[in-house]
Amino acid sequence: QKEVEQNSGPLSVPEGAIASLNCTYSDRVSQSFFWYRQYSGKSPELIMSIYSNGDKEDGRFTAQLNKASQYVSLLIRDSQPSDSATYLCAVNPYSSASKIIFGSGTRLSIRP
Amino acid sequence: SQTIHQWPATLVQPVGSPLSLECTVEGTSNPNLYWYRQAAGRGLQLLFYSVGIGQISSEVPQNLSASRPQDRQFILSSKKLLLSDSGFYLCAWSVKTYGAEEAFFGQGTRLTVV
Repeated sequence: QKEVEQNSGPLSVPEGAIASLNCTYSDRVSQSFFWYRQYSGKSPELIMSIYSNGDKEDGRFTAQLNKASQYVSLLIRDSQPSDSATYLCAVNPYSSASKIIFGSGTRLSIRP
Repeated sequence: SQTIHQWPATLVQPVGSPLSLECTVEGTSNPNLYWYRQAAGRGLQLLFYSVGIGQISSEVPQNLSASRPQDRQFILSSKKLLLSDSGFYLCAWSVKTYGAEEAFFGQGTRLTVV
């Protein structure tokens, strides 16, 4: 079982709609969870961090964490063409607090 | 503010040649440092991470090695490159806050082994 799993997509969403990206992780007692956005040919940039169960909102982005289900998601409201990118989920596993493990990413395409 | 420098941006190397990629961080002290590799269309594979000078943890056994000769310097090396070493190499740093280690990336080095 992979430590961090994401659907590779591509996920196609119409402009203005809500994009929902999902991620599951294997280390039950992982502490920290991150979402990164990566444009083609560029390095990843941090969008959101979440550490506690529930929702965390930042502008058009909402991260949701459910530790019991080992599930973290990212919602993007009012999707814009500039949101078209690959979204990477990352986890800081409890087994080694210094490691940061990434999923394979979900490619998101916002169609006008 | 903190910045991370990684060079070169692109590199074309023949099979069997050596490799040295360097990464430096400014504006912070005693960071955790990471090397990741991303194959085309794939996710980030953690290669090495370091919590301090001379302390290197290897995640993937292969012909690559890493060193941390100074607090804010991280070097990725190979004695003989393979075709399979081609990819996008990313250096990252994070603060040492247990359970809250957001990583910040350099601009990456695109390596093509020919």
